[in-house]
Amino acid sequence: DTAVSQTPKYLVTQMGNDKSIKCEQNLGHDTMYWYKQDSKKFLKIMFSYNNKELIINETVPNRFSPKSPDKAHLNLHINSLELGDSAVYFCASSRGQNNSPLHFGNGTRLTVT
Amino acid sequence: DQQVKQNSPSLSVQEGRISILNCDYTNSMFDYFLWYKKYPAEGPTFLISISSIKDKNEDGRFTVFLNKSAKHLSLHIVPSQPGDSAVYFCAAPPLYNTDKLIFGTGTRLQVFP
Repeated sequence: DTAVSQTPKYLVTQMGNDKSIKCEQNLGHDTMYWYKQDSKKFLKIMFSYNNKELIINETVPNRFSPKSPDKAHLNLHINSLELGDSAVYFCASSRGQNNSPLHFGNGTRLTVT
Repeated sequence: DQQVKQNSPSLSVQEGRISILNCDYTNSMFDYFLWYKKYPAEGPTFLISISSIKDKNEDGRFTVFLNKSAKHLSLHIVPSQPGDSAVYFCAAPPLYNTDKLIFGTGTRLQVFP
């Protein structure tokens, strides 16, 4: 009964490939996010969606395309993977109200070789 | 442009003693702060928060202090327990917008017996 679940946990792929990471939350939250933690441990927001609508796109290359089929799911598709995309990607959700805490998934470690 | 800074990458504390984790911020417009705790291979989990209208917030063994004039906050854990060993992130949303949390780089706390 994991609250925010993302798959896969590990993803190793070659440059130029296209890959997807899936995320689902069963908390009934309206808002979902993708955060990226790079090699320097900075955790930065990439996207947020509220009720399937894009709210934040934080200057992420357009090779990254989030897709929200419903408010419980926010998937991340990455085209033409580059070495610099190697990072840990965290999905999160919240009620979307002011100062409501984020609930994170356990992360997907993406390694591009 | 790192608006939230945690200058100590690691901290080692004996069980039973106090752990003090520090966080500095540069943006005087921040008015709400959160601490997250992260175990290896898991996502960050919300721990405690504080609004700028307060200078202290306490929840069990965890207390957060805010010094607005110094743009500094700290998390006190007392008594520290081995299960507290984790990475602690300080975070702040710009202008009550938790959709865009800005995280520090984290402090790894190790509590030894």
